Amino acid sequence: KAGVTQTPRYLIKTRGQQVTLSCSPISGHRSVSWYQQTPGQGLQFLFEYFSETQRNKGNFPGRFSGRQFSNSRSEMNVSTLELGDSALYLCASSLFPAGSTDTQYFGPGTRLTVL
Amino acid sequence: DQQVKQNSPSLSVQEGRISILNCDYTNSMFDYFLWYKKYPAEGPTFLISISSIKDKNEDGRFTVFLNKSAKHLSLHIVPSQPGDSAVYFCAASGGSNSGAGSYQLTFGKGTKLSVIP
Repeated sequence: KAGVTQTPRYLIKTRGQQVTLSCSPISGHRSVSWYQQTPGQGLQFLFEYFSETQRNKGNFPGRFSGRQFSNSRSEMNVSTLELGDSALYLCASSLFPAGSTDTQYFGPGTRLTVL
Repeated sequence: DQQVKQNSPSLSVQEGRISILNCDYTNSMFDYFLWYKKYPAEGPTFLISISSIKDKNEDGRFTVFLNKSAKHLSLHIVPSQPGDSAVYFCAASGGSNSGAGSYQLTFGKGTKLSVIP
C-alpha cells in the first residue's frame, strides 16, 4: 500500500506570493491533518479534514487555508507569504478522525522557503 | 502554553545500552499518547502508542510507560542501536470524550537521540 505523498517536496517563494501544497493520503484514509514544523516550535497543528469537512483548526492566521476533495486528497494554501512561513509542512492521514485511537501516518513533507 | 513537553533536547547513549526518552504533559484530558521517530528530510514515523487505560505497552525493543498521576510518559529503547539515532517526538490527543478541538495531536518539541557505536 502506498504511503502518504506530498507535492512538491521543495518550494522557494518570495514574500507576498501565495503557495498551494498537495497531499494524497493512504488509500482508504479519510482524515488528513496538516502540521507546520519549524526548528523553534516543533510540530504545530494547522488543520484537519475528514470527509471533506474541516474538523479542527490550529492557532494560525487566516492566510492559512485548506480543503479536501471527495477522493480525500487535500490541499493547503498560504496567501501573502511572510519570511516566517518558511518551514517543513507535513501532512498526515488516518482512517478515522484524528485524535481517536487511530494512528496518523505522515508524508515526507514539503520544504517551503520564503525569500 | 506548551501542553506536551520534552525537556531534553538531546540525548547520547552508547550502543547496546538503554535509551530513555521522557515526556511530560499538562492537559489531564489527554488519553492517548504516541511516539514518533523522525529522520532528517523525512516525515515522522509512528513507533508506538499507549492508551490511558494502560500503564505499559511493549513492541520489540520499544516500551512506553505511562504514569497518569505524574502526567509523565517515557520511551525505553533496549538495546539501543546506531540506526535509532533520530529525533523522537512525543504526541498526545484528547480522544472522543474531550470535546471539540481536542482531536488534534499535540506534539512535544522533540529529543534528538544519538546512539554512539
